[in-house]
Amino acid sequence: SAVISQKPSRDICQRGTSLTIQCQVDSQVTMMFWYRQQPGQSLTLIATANQGSEATYESGFVIDKFPISRPNLTFSTLTVSNMSPEDSSIYLCSVVKGDTEAFFGQGTRLTVV
Amino acid sequence: GNSVTQMEGPVTLSEEAFLTINCTYTATGYPSLFWYVQYPGEGLQLLLKATKADDKGSNKGFEATYRKETTSFHLEKGSVQVSDSAVYFCALSGTTGRRALTFGSGTRLQVQP
Repeated sequence: SAVISQKPSRDICQRGTSLTIQCQVDSQVTMMFWYRQQPGQSLTLIATANQGSEATYESGFVIDKFPISRPNLTFSTLTVSNMSPEDSSIYLCSVVKGDTEAFFGQGTRLTVV
Repeated sequence: GNSVTQMEGPVTLSEEAFLTINCTYTATGYPSLFWYVQYPGEGLQLLLKATKADDKGSNKGFEATYRKETTSFHLEKGSVQVSDSAVYFCALSGTTGRRALTFGSGTRLQVQP
């Protein structure tokens, strides 16, 4: 299994500012994933954070808006830049262990005012 | 690309009623299939999974069978409890090396005493 700690758990931010979300895993993993869950919606993959290389972004998400760092095999950060109210969501970090099982952090509930 | 279609919610049942939440998928190759549950105020938890055709995943009285011929993975429980009230997400793993999950839209279940 994997235990994932995400910080902060929630935040209220002013539009135009940036927030960096941290994700710490209790064991080494090759790939870490960042998802967004907009209010009342399902989870959408933002990007895959690869250690030692650039993150891989999904269609509709760009590095300038969601820069990601992955300095080692247990840690990653996601920054939400130049925020607007449309960025209000829950952001989740996830890892896959073994063949298929995915584990999720508790999420960061972001409100942009 | 991959996609997951879930029945719309909310689903409202009385305690001890039978539950079915439908899930169908589109994918290339042979994905693994999952049901995740999100209890109020909590993070995503894996409920059950199946990694190949005809596999049955089960946990906490919930079951789902991987039906390749109908590309379905319907969630069932014979007798729901108030404590089962949550949002349920059907998901599939990436095929061809992509290990991020594709989620359905989620189904909110409300069980009344």
